[in-house]
Amino acid sequence: ELKVEQNPLFLSMQEGKNYTIYCNYSTTSDRLYWYRQDPGKSLESLFVLLSNGAVKQEGRLMASLDTKARLSTLHITAAVHDLSATYFCAAENTGNQFYFGTGTSLTVIP
Amino acid sequence: KAGVTQTPRYLIKTRGQQVTLSCSPISGHRSVSWYQQTPGQGLQFLFEYFSETQRNKGNFPGRFSGRQFSNSRSEMNVSTLELGDSALYLCASSWGSGRETQYFGPGTRLLVL
Repeated sequence: ELKVEQNPLFLSMQEGKNYTIYCNYSTTSDRLYWYRQDPGKSLESLFVLLSNGAVKQEGRLMASLDTKARLSTLHITAAVHDLSATYFCAAENTGNQFYFGTGTSLTVIP
Repeated sequence: KAGVTQTPRYLIKTRGQQVTLSCSPISGHRSVSWYQQTPGQGLQFLFEYFSETQRNKGNFPGRFSGRQFSNSRSEMNVSTLELGDSALYLCASSWGSGRETQYFGPGTRLLVL
């Protein structure tokens, strides 16, 4: 079974600071996904990373994928309060099985 | 363009009953996926359908089933409900057969008493 681990689980950061959320997965994965969830809300797709070295950016968020290290990162640049949410990564293996990480709860403090 | 809709939004059932949840994807989207979210188990993948065919299924017992209709609308059914089935059930739609950008519905919150 594909296992997906995120760290940290909780992250409190000041506005304007940079930080990185890490997503490790246990076996070969075809694709890596990032999602955002606001409290009491549904999920929102952020990024789909399809190949080794893939990098995608949207606003203050940038995601990258290193398939050799089985690692994806979500980098937050100059955090703002609106980025406060829980972020999930998910990996899909060659058998199309799909597993989520535990989530990282991000709080941006003014 | 209307988003993904899920009905009902809230549901209370008792153990042993069955429940059917509905998901209407964005017009033109042919893929629908279902997910369960609980405080204990987190987010878990249930099923994925594309053009009325189940492409893959997560690690859930046979009590969980689903289907997709020709208009891409999807339903999932849970029979013989257990307390542990209490969860937020999310569906998501996307245009193609892969999980490229998915659009999520608001979810159905199921409480089993």
